[in-house]
Amino acid sequence: QVQLVQSGAEVKRPGASVKVSCKASGYSFNTQGIGWVRQAPGQGLEWMGWITAYNGNTDYAQNFQGRVTMTIDTSTDTAYMELRSLRSDDTAVYYCARPFAITWWSFDYWGQGTLVTVSS
Amino acid sequence: IQLTQSPSSLSASVGDRVTITCRASQGISSYLAWYQQKPGKAPKLLIYAASTLQSGVPSRFSGSGSGTDFTLTISSLQPEDFATYYCQQLYNYPRTFGQGTKLEIK
Repeated sequence: QVQLVQSGAEVKRPGASVKVSCKASGYSFNTQGIGWVRQAPGQGLEWMGWITAYNGNTDYAQNFQGRVTMTIDTSTDTAYMELRSLRSDDTAVYYCARPFAITWWSFDYWGQGTLVTVSS
Repeated sequence: IQLTQSPSSLSASVGDRVTITCRASQGISSYLAWYQQKPGKAPKLLIYAASTLQSGVPSRFSGSGSGTDFTLTISSLQPEDFATYYCQQLYNYPRTFGQGTKLEIK
């Protein structure tokens, strides 16, 4: 079955970087992509961007341009999201999710989420 | 593209029929998805292409609309349906979400 398993919670200082991983299994990873969505405490969902696995093309939300890098390692079926220059308002749960062609590129499977806390 | 959901919160009883609306700031054809999220859990895809039920989702959920106005309807609320619901446009980048509608027990 399709599974996306994310790395564990992180605590970071303002100005630092964080790199969250998302390991996929149960499907042909290199024919799909991975999207990233975050959710601040008590807030709604925010689309951050996505990366296609077969060619590494990315689309980032303007809010994150210049601070985020999404990468893919097809040898390990793992996607990564790195966010730099962290601020307190980057404290959130970060989710990876699979955009699927049959569902019109909506996110049909999600990781369990990774809590990133930014605090001095 | 901005998505505006209404209401932001809703109280209802088991067995009620409820409707949540999502309005897009510009036309998005049928490129809309609906998700359900329970506290502490990842969102779950309910509907895509505005009205197509995702596999395994109960038939009491339905979606309709095209262009700028969309609705999610739950025909007879069950206890497990109390959650927050989000719409997402799939038309262009960024793939924005609505602000969410919290469905609570009356």
